[in-house]
Amino acid sequence: AQSVAQPEDQVNVAEGNPLTVKCTYSVSGNPYLFWYVQYPNRGLQFLLKYITGDNLVKGSYGFEAEFNKSQTSFHLKKPSALVSDSALYFCAVRDLISGNTPLVFGKGTRLSVIA
Amino acid sequence: GAGVSQSPRYKVAKRGQDVALRCDPISGHVSLFWYQQALGQGPEFLTYFQNEAQLDKSGLPSDRFFAERPEGSVSTLKIQRTQQEDSAVYLCASSLSHRGGGALGTQYFGPGTRLTVL
Repeated sequence: AQSVAQPEDQVNVAEGNPLTVKCTYSVSGNPYLFWYVQYPNRGLQFLLKYITGDNLVKGSYGFEAEFNKSQTSFHLKKPSALVSDSALYFCAVRDLISGNTPLVFGKGTRLSVIA
Repeated sequence: GAGVSQSPRYKVAKRGQDVALRCDPISGHVSLFWYQQALGQGPEFLTYFQNEAQLDKSGLPSDRFFAERPEGSVSTLKIQRTQQEDSAVYLCASSLSHRGGGALGTQYFGPGTRLTVL
């Protein structure tokens, strides 16, 4: 079965500092990994995804994520945080081998960027 | 272009009432998914359609939950005899294809319907 772990419920970072939101996954086959962001009273917005290829994936709003197969991780990063980045971030996985189409989400990490 | 839309955005129901939640996917998207997001949790899969066919309903928590997509576009999630534990945000997502790879498989989400059962 697929699973995603986001070990931090809350991440606090000062504006202008780099940020990292952690995610580890478990799948039986090859992973198809996503990051979504959720602002209050809004749905999930797609940020970026990894299928194959370069381990460093670039996405929207200056975010990027690094796929690490040996550590089964897909951490979200941004070189310089903005106050407007404050939101709830979800990591999700699909298992390509099984063909299972639904996404399996982590519990989410709340990012707070302090001015 | 227009994204995924859902209505109503908010629904308050008395315990025992039936509710119907609507999802309008992105035009041309083959696949449609329903997820349930409890407070403080990540979304959890309920059911999946490819066109009008419901291919997976393994996530539906009970037989009180029913979903349909009769013409392969708009979908309705119906909950009969609502219970307090049904209170959650119900999210709908659509994608161009059910296949795993490439941009086709990316799911785009609507704003959700927040259901509160009193």
